[in-house]
Amino acid sequence: DTAVSQTPKYLVTQMGNDKSIKCEQNLGHDTMYWYKQDSKKFLKIMFSYNNKELIINETVPNRFSPKSPDKAHLNLHINSLELGDSAVYFCASSPQGSYEQYFGPGTRLTVT
Amino acid sequence: AQSVTQPDIHITVSEGASLELRCNYSYGATPYLFWYVQSPGQGLQLLLKYFSGDTLVQGIKGFEAEFKRSQSSFNLRKPSVHWSDAAEYFCAVGPTYGNKLVFGAGTILRVKS
Repeated sequence: DTAVSQTPKYLVTQMGNDKSIKCEQNLGHDTMYWYKQDSKKFLKIMFSYNNKELIINETVPNRFSPKSPDKAHLNLHINSLELGDSAVYFCASSPQGSYEQYFGPGTRLTVT
Repeated sequence: AQSVTQPDIHITVSEGASLELRCNYSYGATPYLFWYVQSPGQGLQLLLKYFSGDTLVQGIKGFEAEFKRSQSSFNLRKPSVHWSDAAEYFCAVGPTYGNKLVFGAGTILRVKS
């Protein structure tokens, strides 16, 4: 039983391309997040959605656009990919009224 | 501003030895504190959490952590380390606005046999 799943696990693409990463959770949680983990393993939040509503939008380039079609899904679309976008992207979720977060396995994005 | 400091970037311990990973936080009120573990190529797994009550909390895999308000610390401990504990460990504090957690930079644990 996968709690938080992400697809794809690996993504290799060229600069300038547009790509999407999908996230699904079957935990019944209300809040979902996207994090970026850089090469130094520093984990930085990008976005957070609660019941399909955007509640956190950190200083992230406009090329990144999250979309939450329902509370179990939070997708991340990236336009015009740049070399600096190479990182591991983690999706996470948390239940209403709790702050513990459950993470997906990550998507390693490599931009060449 | 809320922040988390993990002073040790790397720690190496012998298998069977005890372990303590340090975490110091800055937070304006009573914090919620977490330890996560990340094995190579994997996502983050919640080891334990502190919300309130007993300041010594037990987690999975034989880990425990102690909340010390006076020292703004939440150190992670394990009495006897196994080779499978080799991973990176992250401390986190929250919530901040939007239920956000702030993560430390991580401590890499190496276990030598």
